[in-house]
Amino acid sequence: GGIITQTPKFLIGQEGQKLTLKCQQNFNHDTMYWYRQDSGKGLRLIYYSITENDLQKGDLSEGYDASREKKSSFSLTVTSAQKNEMAVFLCASSITGVGNTLYFGEGSRLIVV
Amino acid sequence: GDKVKQSPSALSLQEGTNSALRCNFSIAATTVQWFLQNPRGSLINLFYLVPGTKENGRLKSAFDSKESYSTLHIRDAQLEDSGTYFCAAGPNSGGSNAKLTFGKGTKLSVKS
Repeated sequence: GGIITQTPKFLIGQEGQKLTLKCQQNFNHDTMYWYRQDSGKGLRLIYYSITENDLQKGDLSEGYDASREKKSSFSLTVTSAQKNEMAVFLCASSITGVGNTLYFGEGSRLIVV
Repeated sequence: GDKVKQSPSALSLQEGTNSALRCNFSIAATTVQWFLQNPRGSLINLFYLVPGTKENGRLKSAFDSKESYSTLHIRDAQLEDSGTYFCAAGPNSGGSNAKLTFGKGTKLSVKS
Protein backbone atom coordinates (compact mmCIF):
# COMPACT_ATOMS: atom_id res chain seq x y z
CA GLY A 1 0.00 0.00 0.00
CA GLY A 2 0.92 3.62 -0.21
CA ILE A 3 0.54 6.77 1.79
CA ILE A 4 -0.23 10.43 1.26
CA THR A 5 1.66 12.81 3.52
CA GLN A 6 0.53 16.37 4.00
CA THR A 7 2.69 19.03 5.66
CA PRO A 8 2.28 20.92 7.82
CA LYS A 9 -0.65 19.50 9.77
CA PHE A 10 -1.42 22.98 11.11
CA LEU A 11 -0.49 26.16 9.28
CA ILE A 12 -0.87 29.44 11.13
CA GLY A 13 -0.46 32.66 9.25
CA GLN A 14 -1.44 36.29 9.26
CA GLU A 15 -4.07 37.91 7.10
CA GLY A 16 -2.62 38.82 3.73
CA GLN A 17 0.25 36.35 4.02
CA LYS A 18 1.18 33.88 1.28
CA LEU A 19 1.05 30.35 2.70
CA THR A 20 1.98 27.01 1.14
CA LEU A 21 0.78 23.48 1.87
CA LYS A 22 2.65 20.43 0.60
CA CYS A 23 1.55 16.94 -0.35
CA GLN A 24 3.56 13.83 -1.19
CA GLN A 25 2.26 10.44 -2.39
CA ASN A 26 4.09 7.17 -2.93
CA PHE A 27 1.28 5.35 -4.76
CA ASN A 28 2.84 6.37 -8.10
CA HIS A 29 -0.57 7.82 -9.03
CA ASP A 30 -0.88 10.09 -12.06
CA THR A 31 -3.53 12.44 -10.73
CA MET A 32 -3.41 14.54 -7.58
CA TYR A 33 -6.04 16.84 -6.10
CA TRP A 34 -6.46 19.58 -3.51
CA TYR A 35 -9.83 19.90 -1.77
CA ARG A 36 -11.08 22.37 0.78
CA GLN A 37 -13.34 21.16 3.60
CA ASP A 38 -15.32 23.75 5.54
CA SER A 39 -17.13 22.74 8.70
CA GLY A 40 -20.50 21.19 7.92
CA LYS A 41 -19.91 21.24 4.17
CA GLY A 42 -18.81 18.78 1.56
CA LEU A 43 -15.42 18.80 -0.09
CA ARG A 44 -14.83 21.32 -2.87
CA LEU A 45 -12.12 20.93 -5.48
CA ILE A 46 -9.53 23.71 -5.69
CA TYR A 47 -6.97 22.38 -8.19
CA TYR A 48 -6.00 19.07 -9.69
CA SER A 49 -3.17 17.79 -11.85
CA ILE A 50 -3.17 14.79 -14.18
CA THR A 51 0.59 14.60 -14.64
CA GLU A 52 3.83 16.34 -13.70
CA ASN A 53 3.70 20.09 -14.53
CA ASP A 54 -0.02 19.90 -15.40
CA LEU A 55 -2.55 22.11 -13.57
CA GLN A 56 -6.33 22.17 -13.88
CA LYS A 57 -8.65 24.54 -12.02
CA GLY A 58 -11.43 23.21 -9.86
CA ASP A 59 -14.54 25.02 -8.68
CA LEU A 60 -12.72 27.01 -5.99
CA SER A 61 -9.40 28.03 -7.59
CA GLU A 62 -9.64 31.79 -7.10
CA GLY A 63 -7.19 32.94 -4.43
CA TYR A 64 -5.03 29.82 -4.79
CA ASP A 65 -2.04 28.70 -6.85
CA ALA A 66 -0.78 25.16 -7.22
CA SER A 67 2.36 23.46 -8.45
CA ARG A 68 3.01 19.85 -9.53
CA GLU A 69 6.76 19.79 -9.22
CA LYS A 70 7.07 16.07 -9.83
CA LYS A 71 4.77 13.08 -10.07
CA SER A 72 4.88 12.42 -6.34
CA SER A 73 4.31 15.95 -5.06
CA PHE A 74 1.65 18.63 -5.37
CA SER A 75 1.70 21.89 -3.45
CA LEU A 76 -1.03 24.46 -2.84
CA THR A 77 -0.43 28.14 -2.12
CA VAL A 78 -2.95 30.49 -0.57
CA THR A 79 -1.95 33.72 -2.27
CA SER A 80 -3.32 36.10 0.38
CA ALA A 81 -4.73 34.40 3.47
CA GLN A 82 -8.09 35.64 4.73
CA LYS A 83 -9.85 34.83 7.98
CA ASN A 84 -12.82 33.35 6.11
CA GLU A 85 -10.45 30.85 4.55
CA MET A 86 -9.85 28.92 7.74
CA ALA A 87 -10.61 25.36 6.74
CA VAL A 88 -9.08 21.91 6.37
CA PHE A 89 -7.27 21.29 3.10
CA LEU A 90 -7.20 17.71 1.89
CA CYS A 91 -4.83 16.29 -0.69
CA ALA A 92 -5.81 13.19 -2.65
CA SER A 93 -4.47 11.07 -5.49
CA SER A 94 -5.79 8.46 -7.89
CA ILE A 95 -4.91 6.54 -11.00
CA THR A 96 -6.37 8.32 -14.02
CA GLY A 97 -9.28 6.48 -15.55
CA VAL A 98 -12.66 4.96 -14.91
CA GLY A 99 -13.31 3.15 -11.67
CA ASN A 100 -10.29 4.46 -9.81
CA THR A 101 -11.01 5.73 -6.36
CA LEU A 102 -9.46 8.59 -4.45
CA TYR A 103 -6.91 8.13 -1.68
CA PHE A 104 -6.69 10.97 0.82
CA GLY A 105 -4.14 12.46 3.16
CA GLU A 106 -4.99 13.43 6.74
CA GLY A 107 -5.49 17.09 5.99
CA SER A 108 -3.85 20.39 6.86
CA ARG A 109 -5.73 22.92 8.97
CA LEU A 110 -5.24 26.56 8.03
CA ILE A 111 -5.56 29.12 10.83
CA VAL A 112 -5.46 32.81 9.95
CA VAL A 113 -4.86 35.30 12.76
CA GLY B 1 -30.26 23.49 -3.32
CA ASP B 2 -27.68 20.81 -2.68
CA LYS B 3 -26.84 18.66 -5.70
CA VAL B 4 -25.97 15.75 -3.39
CA LYS B 5 -28.09 15.62 -0.28
CA GLN B 6 -27.15 13.28 2.54
CA SER B 7 -29.47 12.15 5.31
CA PRO B 8 -29.50 12.11 8.19
CA SER B 9 -26.95 14.82 8.95
CA ALA B 10 -26.14 13.14 12.27
CA LEU B 11 -26.93 9.77 13.78
CA SER B 12 -26.30 8.07 17.10
CA LEU B 13 -26.34 4.27 17.23
CA GLN B 14 -26.06 1.71 19.97
CA GLU B 15 -23.30 -0.83 19.41
CA GLY B 16 -24.64 -3.92 17.66
CA THR B 17 -27.56 -2.19 15.91
CA ASN B 18 -28.16 -1.62 12.20
CA SER B 19 -28.78 1.56 10.25
CA ALA B 20 -28.85 3.07 6.78
CA LEU B 21 -27.46 6.31 5.40
CA ARG B 22 -28.81 7.84 2.24
CA CYS B 23 -27.72 10.13 -0.59
CA ASN B 24 -30.18 11.74 -2.97
CA PHE B 25 -28.89 13.29 -6.18
CA SER B 26 -30.33 16.16 -8.18
CA ILE B 27 -27.60 15.70 -10.79
CA ALA B 28 -27.32 12.85 -13.31
CA ALA B 29 -24.95 10.61 -11.37
CA THR B 30 -23.58 7.48 -13.03
CA THR B 31 -21.07 6.54 -10.32
CA VAL B 32 -21.07 6.93 -6.55
CA GLN B 33 -18.26 6.73 -4.03
CA TRP B 34 -18.70 6.40 -0.26
CA PHE B 35 -16.01 7.54 2.17
CA LEU B 36 -15.52 7.47 5.92
CA GLN B 37 -13.61 10.36 7.45
CA ASN B 38 -11.84 8.94 10.47
CA PRO B 39 -10.83 10.90 13.60
CA ARG B 40 -7.39 11.57 12.11
CA GLY B 41 -9.04 13.45 9.25
CA SER B 42 -8.31 11.17 6.33
CA LEU B 43 -11.13 9.94 4.07
CA ILE B 44 -11.10 6.20 3.55
CA ASN B 45 -12.83 4.85 0.47
CA LEU B 46 -15.55 2.35 1.32
CA PHE B 47 -17.21 1.73 -2.03
CA TYR B 48 -17.00 2.71 -5.67
CA LEU B 49 -20.33 1.94 -7.34
CA VAL B 50 -21.90 1.89 -10.74
CA PRO B 51 -25.66 1.12 -10.57
CA GLY B 52 -26.08 -1.99 -8.45
CA THR B 53 -25.04 -3.29 -5.08
CA LYS B 54 -21.77 -4.06 -3.32
CA GLU B 55 -21.05 -5.62 0.04
CA ASN B 56 -17.95 -5.60 2.20
CA GLY B 57 -18.14 -7.18 5.63
CA ARG B 58 -20.77 -5.38 7.70
CA LEU B 59 -21.25 -2.69 5.05
CA LYS B 60 -23.52 -2.88 2.05
CA SER B 61 -24.16 -0.16 -0.49
CA ALA B 62 -26.67 0.22 -3.29
CA PHE B 63 -26.91 2.75 -6.09
CA ASP B 64 -30.03 3.31 -8.16
CA SER B 65 -29.20 5.78 -10.95
CA LYS B 66 -32.78 5.91 -12.30
CA GLU B 67 -34.22 6.93 -8.93
CA SER B 68 -31.11 9.04 -8.20
CA TYR B 69 -30.15 7.75 -4.80
CA SER B 70 -27.62 5.62 -3.00
CA THR B 71 -27.71 3.94 0.40
CA LEU B 72 -25.07 2.68 2.80
CA HIS B 73 -26.23 0.02 5.26
CA ILE B 74 -24.25 -0.64 8.42
CA ARG B 75 -24.93 -3.94 10.15
CA ASP B 76 -23.93 -4.69 13.75
CA ALA B 77 -22.43 -1.23 14.31
CA GLN B 78 -19.09 -1.13 16.13
CA LEU B 79 -17.36 1.73 17.96
CA GLU B 80 -14.78 2.01 15.16
CA ASP B 81 -17.57 2.80 12.68
CA SER B 82 -17.86 6.26 14.25
CA GLY B 83 -16.89 9.16 12.02
CA THR B 84 -18.35 11.19 9.17
CA TYR B 85 -19.61 9.39 6.07
CA PHE B 86 -19.50 11.18 2.73
CA CYS B 87 -20.99 10.19 -0.57
CA ALA B 88 -19.75 11.66 -3.84
CA ALA B 89 -21.50 11.49 -7.20
CA GLY B 90 -19.71 11.20 -10.51
CA PRO B 91 -21.45 12.73 -13.54
CA ASN B 92 -20.52 10.06 -16.07
CA SER B 93 -18.71 6.74 -16.15
CA GLY B 94 -15.96 8.11 -18.33
CA GLY B 95 -15.38 11.17 -16.21
CA SER B 96 -12.48 11.73 -13.89
CA ASN B 97 -12.64 12.06 -10.13
CA ALA B 98 -12.27 15.81 -10.70
CA LYS B 99 -15.96 15.95 -11.55
CA LEU B 100 -17.14 14.46 -8.26
CA THR B 101 -19.76 16.33 -6.24
CA PHE B 102 -19.63 15.61 -2.51
CA GLY B 103 -22.47 15.63 -0.03
CA LYS B 104 -22.14 17.40 3.34
CA GLY B 105 -21.73 14.18 5.26
CA THR B 106 -23.48 12.14 7.94
CA LYS B 107 -21.82 12.24 11.35
CA LEU B 108 -22.20 8.83 13.00
CA SER B 109 -21.57 8.15 16.68
CA VAL B 110 -21.64 4.56 17.88
CA LYS B 111 -22.04 4.18 21.63
CA SER B 112 -21.43 1.17 23.85
